[in-house]
Amino acid sequence: GDSVTQMEGPVTLSEEAFLTINCTYTATGYPSLFWYVQYPGEGLQLLLKATKADDKGSNKGFEATYRKETTSFHLEKGSVQVSDSAVYFCALSDDAGNMLTFGGGTRLMVKP
Amino acid sequence: DAGVTQSPTHLIKTRGQHVTLRCSPISGHKSVSWYQQVLGQGPQFIFQYYEKEERGRGNFPDRFSARQFPNYSSELNVNALLLGDSALYLCASSSLTGGTPNTEAFFGQGTRLTVV
Repeated sequence: GDSVTQMEGPVTLSEEAFLTINCTYTATGYPSLFWYVQYPGEGLQLLLKATKADDKGSNKGFEATYRKETTSFHLEKGSVQVSDSAVYFCALSDDAGNMLTFGGGTRLMVKP
Repeated sequence: DAGVTQSPTHLIKTRGQHVTLRCSPISGHKSVSWYQQVLGQGPQFIFQYYEKEERGRGNFPDRFSARQFPNYSSELNVNALLLGDSALYLCASSSLTGGTPNTEAFFGQGTRLTVV
């Protein structure tokens, strides 16, 4: 079945540092790929998405590119802020759009 | 506009009891999905409903059931609760129509269930 693997956290960075969170996937067909963010005590919020190979999703300074050849969707941000501290989840949807498969999540802590 | 609302926000139950969790989707959304998020892990898909019919089911035992009402709200029921059912239960709604694969899912804040 489909699966998503993320780098384990926590990732601890200083403010204004460069962020990369690795995500790789296994899927049949042509999934769409997503990054969701979860702030403490809250539900999940969609951060960005990409629907086909070579698409780049971007939002709030974050970006990720759908790489079919390496089955990856790594999340990057050039300069993180303390307010970016949260748990980040990589996910894919099946062809029918009936379900999301999530990775285990990566906790990001940004220190001032 | 109101987002996805879930109730209750927190719940404590005893092993063997039954629980019902409720979800109201965003106005106009006809699809509701349920996910279980155990502490420290990613959410796991339980069910999806669309137009009151089950569209998908994850790898959960028959103790878990759900339904969707004519107003598109949904209930998740869990019977014979086990300690391992303790988790955050998330509801998501989307405007999925005809199986479109790229539709954004909007999540509620979840119901934190503790089984003691």
